[in-house]
Amino acid sequence: GQQLNQSPQSMFIQEGEDVSMNCTSSSIFNTWLWYKQDPGEGPVLLIALYKAGELTSNGRLTAQFGITRKDSFLNISASIPSDVGIYFCAGRGGTSYGKLTFGQGTILTVHP
Amino acid sequence: EPEVTQTPSHQVTQMGQEVILRCVPISNHLYFYWYRQILGQKVEFLVSFYNNEISEKSEIFDDQFSVERPDGSNFTLKIRSTKLEDSAMYFCASLDPGLKSYEQYFGPGTRLTVT
Repeated sequence: GQQLNQSPQSMFIQEGEDVSMNCTSSSIFNTWLWYKQDPGEGPVLLIALYKAGELTSNGRLTAQFGITRKDSFLNISASIPSDVGIYFCAGRGGTSYGKLTFGQGTILTVHP
Repeated sequence: EPEVTQTPSHQVTQMGQEVILRCVPISNHLYFYWYRQILGQKVEFLVSFYNNEISEKSEIFDDQFSVERPDGSNFTLKIRSTKLEDSAMYFCASLDPGLKSYEQYFGPGTRLTVT
């Protein structure tokens, strides 16, 4: 099946620093999504990308859909303590209503 | 803001017992999903459901699993005879095909512990 490799697995940063994480796949995806999961909660969508090459921002978050359609990155600028959580990339390869394939997650810790 | 709800938040059951996890999707959504997340691991797709039938299922979703939309609001996942390895967070999600974003909205999850 489709596999997503997400890196890094974890990051420990100081408040104010920028963060970058990425996902790669051996398969092509039609949609790339980035989710954040807080402890004990379900994933919450941060950014969705629908076209190869697309660069989209949501506040301090910026994500890009790779040209090859096999990769995506997420940047967080000027991190704050509430950015702490687990960030997941997810890809959708089939129809717009199809299943999501998730990466392994990046655990982000922000030290004040 | 409408949200997906799930009950119970935590279910403890003995191996071999049947469990039913319940979800109330967002009211005008038409596509429904179950995912699971074993502790410390990634979220994995189990099954999708549309128009009262399964549209796609993963290898995990074997004969021990079933889904149902018993009425106009609930969407359930049944595990007939639970195994230790079924212990996980189970997330329900729903999607409104009228939204161009095709976003799947996730519930808060049910933590299933099989002892």
